[in-house]
Amino acid sequence: DQQVKQNSPSLSVQEGRISILNCDYTNSMFDYFLWYKKYPAEGPTFLISISSIKDKNEDGRFTVFLNKSAKHLSLHIVPSQPGDSAVYFCAAIGTYKYIFGTGTRLKVLA
Amino acid sequence: DAGVIQSPRHEVTEMGQEVTLRCKPISGHDYLFWYRQTMMRGLELLIYFNNNVPIDDSGMPEDRFSAKMPNASFSTLKIQPSEPRDSAVYFCASSLSLGDQPQHFGDGTRLSIL
Repeated sequence: DQQVKQNSPSLSVQEGRISILNCDYTNSMFDYFLWYKKYPAEGPTFLISISSIKDKNEDGRFTVFLNKSAKHLSLHIVPSQPGDSAVYFCAAIGTYKYIFGTGTRLKVLA
Repeated sequence: DAGVIQSPRHEVTEMGQEVTLRCKPISGHDYLFWYRQTMMRGLELLIYFNNNVPIDDSGMPEDRFSAKMPNASFSTLKIQPSEPRDSAVYFCASSLSLGDQPQHFGDGTRLSIL
């Protein structure tokens, strides 16, 4: 069973607009959530994280929101840029567990 | 600083052969992870080590897969015998801790079993 789900395999957004990537999880015991970005032929790179005791974390154009009651987190990218085109993975961390979602491919159209 | 180094970058071999993937983590990182990326399941954690000791190998698909970490600067993932369904990209990652410290990934090994 997939404890961390990214239900949208792909997303297309116009340059300058907001990109919203979603992630759902089933285990309420996760302590941290992280987002990674992956370009082709490269390994994922860390983007932003959020602790389970917070509901928002912001870093420049990137903001992560956490809704614990809904077991849902989202990554907002504003404004979106063509260089943001990549696969985005959310990851959840619990006791001795580190679980990634299946990824969402974001394409930002110029 | 050098990042996580994986070798080889590409491996093509015939079914039944032994495959060994190698990883050098970032110096000073106490945790090392092996992942497999597939279209259907995304990034699957296979196994991770803390201070060279395997902590969770519940993601290792079957007995054909084994991983070792003989010292803090080297780890291997071995598949014997290999099968076509093992074809995937395998990533190694390292981190300072298991909490909110991010993992640093290598560029992966693309494995094709014919």
